[in-house]
Amino acid sequence: RKEVEQDPGPFNVPEGATVAFNCTYSNSASQSFFWYRQDCRKEPKLLMSVYSSGNEDGRFTAQLNRASQYISLLIRDSKLSDSATYLCVVSSSSNTGKLIFGQGTTLQVKP
Amino acid sequence: EPEVTQTPSHQVTQMGQEVILRCVPISNHLYFYWYRQILGQKVEFLVSFYNNEISEKSEIFDDQFSVERPDGSNFTLKIRSTKLEDSAMYFCASSRDSSFNQPQHFGDGTRLSIL
Repeated sequence: RKEVEQDPGPFNVPEGATVAFNCTYSNSASQSFFWYRQDCRKEPKLLMSVYSSGNEDGRFTAQLNRASQYISLLIRDSKLSDSATYLCVVSSSSNTGKLIFGQGTTLQVKP
Repeated sequence: EPEVTQTPSHQVTQMGQEVILRCVPISNHLYFYWYRQILGQKVEFLVSFYNNEISEKSEIFDDQFSVERPDGSNFTLKIRSTKLEDSAMYFCASSRDSSFNQPQHFGDGTRLSIL
């Protein structure tokens, strides 16, 4: 089983649509969870941390289910500028800061 | 907003040559990292560095790789004898600490092309 697994997509949605991405991770001892965004050939940029209680930042909502080792990201009212690859990222259990990245899910928002 | 800076943005090197990639982490950050991303693949961890020591390294980070913080501001990655398969984007990152939910901030990367 991959350490962090995502559906690579691509997800093609119209502007204004709601889209959800899922991610599963294999190490139950992982403590920190993030969604990063990566534009083509650019660096990963932090979108949001993911907390056990779930958290929201504007149009973005992240959920964590530790029992199922499952993380989700919901984007409401998609904008053209949301087009990017969304990376599910999980910390290792080693407490050295090592991050483990999923392969990413590509989103294309069309007018 | 403070950011991580990396130089050069693009490095082209002959196979077998040494290359040094440079990074200036965010000034109050204490933990430093290198990751790489081969074209079309996922981002992979190389090494984490704290208190002038490597705290963890991956299998990729073999004897050809080394890291250094020579002067309190720069953080460098050296590849001694480059191979074709070292061609990738190399990202430096830093964080205040490695504790729970402390995010890492990434530089905009160095594209390394080995000929």
